[in-house]
Amino acid sequence: QQPVQSPQAVILREGEDAVINCSSSKALYSVHWYRQKHGEAPVFLMILLKGGEQKGHDKISASFNEKKQQSSLYLTASQLSYSGTYFCGTETGGYQKVTFGTGTKLQVIP
Amino acid sequence: DVKVTQSSRYLVKRTGEKVFLECVQDMDHENMFWYRQDPGLGLRLIYFSYDVKMKEKGDIPEGYSVSREKKERFSLILESASTNQTSMYLCASSPLLGTQYFGPGTRLTVL
Repeated sequence: QQPVQSPQAVILREGEDAVINCSSSKALYSVHWYRQKHGEAPVFLMILLKGGEQKGHDKISASFNEKKQQSSLYLTASQLSYSGTYFCGTETGGYQKVTFGTGTKLQVIP
Repeated sequence: DVKVTQSSRYLVKRTGEKVFLECVQDMDHENMFWYRQDPGLGLRLIYFSYDVKMKEKGDIPEGYSVSREKKERFSLILESASTNQTSMYLCASSPLLGTQYFGPGTRLTVL
């Protein structure tokens, strides 16, 4: 079953912040975040393993609440280059079988 | 540099044809995956393989089969293509417990 992402779409002005949420009905082993720009392949952002850790680089970070089976992606001081569709992927078992959500389309405007 | 290649960027086939989509990775990764991407539905896993000759069904395997005879190559087969299989197909590979690297995708149109 696909994880549920919210919001489905968001428009930001440069410099604004955004949060994208991902929730699952199943217990999670890990959560993956990817970004896909129009016409391109998805590109890895980060992976979070169970344990409630928060990871990040630059102005993009994420948290993982194992008990709530949720993850959130935080984009701060957004830049035009952040535009794209963000996918969360959840892993509930072994072998890295990842089930992706339907995506959140983020558009950053000047 | 990590590289996943797919045999075609665009492909047009007729209903009932047998279609082969090829994916090759040069990173010696154990895992390989086939997804299809449709507007509003995200990335849906068709099949994955965690070793040569090993395969597991994903979430939407109906109408598809796969083959992995060599570690670097993972093929997706549409035995008898249908119009509802018109989609973007993405291949990915990953090491054990690692990042998935995606290929550029094949846009398949079935007429």
